[in-house]
Amino acid sequence: GDSVTQMEGPVTLSEEAFLTINCTYTATGYPSLFWYVQYPGEGLQLLLKATKADDKGSNKGFEATYRKETTSFHLEKGSVQVSDSAVYFCALKTSYDKVIFGPGTSLSVIP
Amino acid sequence: NAGVTQTPKFQVLKTGQSMTLQCAQDMNHEYMSWYRQDPGMGLRLIHYSVGAGITDQGEVPNGYNVSRSTTEDFPLRLLSAAPSQTSVYFCASSYAGLAGADTQYFGPGTRLTVL
Repeated sequence: GDSVTQMEGPVTLSEEAFLTINCTYTATGYPSLFWYVQYPGEGLQLLLKATKADDKGSNKGFEATYRKETTSFHLEKGSVQVSDSAVYFCALKTSYDKVIFGPGTSLSVIP
Repeated sequence: NAGVTQTPKFQVLKTGQSMTLQCAQDMNHEYMSWYRQDPGMGLRLIHYSVGAGITDQGEVPNGYNVSRSTTEDFPLRLLSAAPSQTSVYFCASSYAGLAGADTQYFGPGTRLTVL
């Protein structure tokens, strides 16, 4: 069935470090791909998305590229800040409207 | 717009009790869904709906019922609560447009404890 796999956390980085959170997926058809972020005590909110192969989603300095050949959608940021500390979820939406989330990766950024 | 609202924010039940978690959205979204969030498990889809009168099961539907009589509301019913249903529940909605590229808007969550 459809699924999303993310790298295990938690991830701890120093401020201004480079961030990569890996995400791979299994899906039939041509899913849309998303990264959502959950700040402490809040619900999820969309960070970025991509709808087709080779699309790059970007927002707030974060980027992810839809790689169909490797079924991946890795999240990157060149210089993280303390305010980026949150849980990050990779997700896909299938052609029949079901949205599947990965388990989430907790990120802590220390000054 | 209020966005997606959920009530209650917190709830404690005893095993065997029933209750309904409320979810409403005022964005005229067709797609609505319920997730539960458990430590180390991420979000798991319970039920979803692509429009009024249409519902379908997600990954973990057992023990939960839903109905969608209006576009705005999508209540989640626990018929006989069990400790395994202790979790944080999120409702989400999106516009079911073309290409499946819809942003989901999440409610603030309901923290449920079953004793």
